[in-house]
Amino acid sequence: GQQLNQSPQSMFIQEGEDVSMNCTSSSIFNTWLWYKQDPGEGPVLLIALYKAGELTSNGRLTAQFGITRKDSFLNISASIPSDVGIYFCAGRGSNYKLTFGKGTLLTVNP
Amino acid sequence: DAGVIQSPRHEVTEMGQEVTLRCKPISGHNSLFWYRQTMMRGLELLIYFNNNVPIDDSGMPEDRFSAKMPNASFSTLKIQPSEPRDSAVYFCASSLGGRELFFGEGSRLTVL
Repeated sequence: GQQLNQSPQSMFIQEGEDVSMNCTSSSIFNTWLWYKQDPGEGPVLLIALYKAGELTSNGRLTAQFGITRKDSFLNISASIPSDVGIYFCAGRGSNYKLTFGKGTLLTVNP
Repeated sequence: DAGVIQSPRHEVTEMGQEVTLRCKPISGHNSLFWYRQTMMRGLELLIYFNNNVPIDDSGMPEDRFSAKMPNASFSTLKIQPSEPRDSAVYFCASSLGGRELFFGEGSRLTVL
C-alpha cells in the first residue's frame, strides 16, 4: 500500500520562529491535505492542494504540492503558542482513499 | 454551519459489552468515513460509504465491527462484543465528492 513519511516527528520551538514540516510518498498523489489536531479534538483541515506545484496560503500557513507529486510541505511563519498541536499530512491518489502521515507534534515555547 | 456531529464523546464500557457510536455528517455531503486513531497505528480507515452505500469495509478489523448508514444524515459504528484492544478514538468524517474531508470531534472509547 501507499506509504507516507512525515517529518519531523516532533518540534520544539520558540514563539516567533518559523516552522517547516514535510511529507513524502512512495507513490504519486493527486491531492494533498494538511490538518491540525488539538488534544481531545478531531483533525481540522488547514489547507488543501490539488495541483502539482500549487502553493497555497492560509494566514501564517503556507503549503506546497511538490512538482513530483510525491511530496508536500507546510510552513508556519512567526509561530504563536496556539500553534501547538499535531499536524498531519494526508494524500490521495486516484481513488477516494486518504493516506495519513504519522503526524508532527509541535510545541511552542512562549 | 454545523460540522460533523459524533456521539458519545466518551464511552467507558466493560469487555463483552456492545458499543454503538453515532455520526451525523455535514448536510449535503455524500461520502462518509469511519476512522480509528491510536498512538501505535495513527489514523486508520475502517469503512467508507458513498451515497449511503458501503463501498469499502476492508479496514474493519473483524466481524465484531459493523457499520450502517440508513440515510444520508446518520451512520452508526457498532462493536459487539467489545474488547480492551478496541480502546481508541473513533472519528467520523464526511466529504462532498471525495474532496476535502471534515472530521467530527471523535468518540473516545475505553473498554475495561
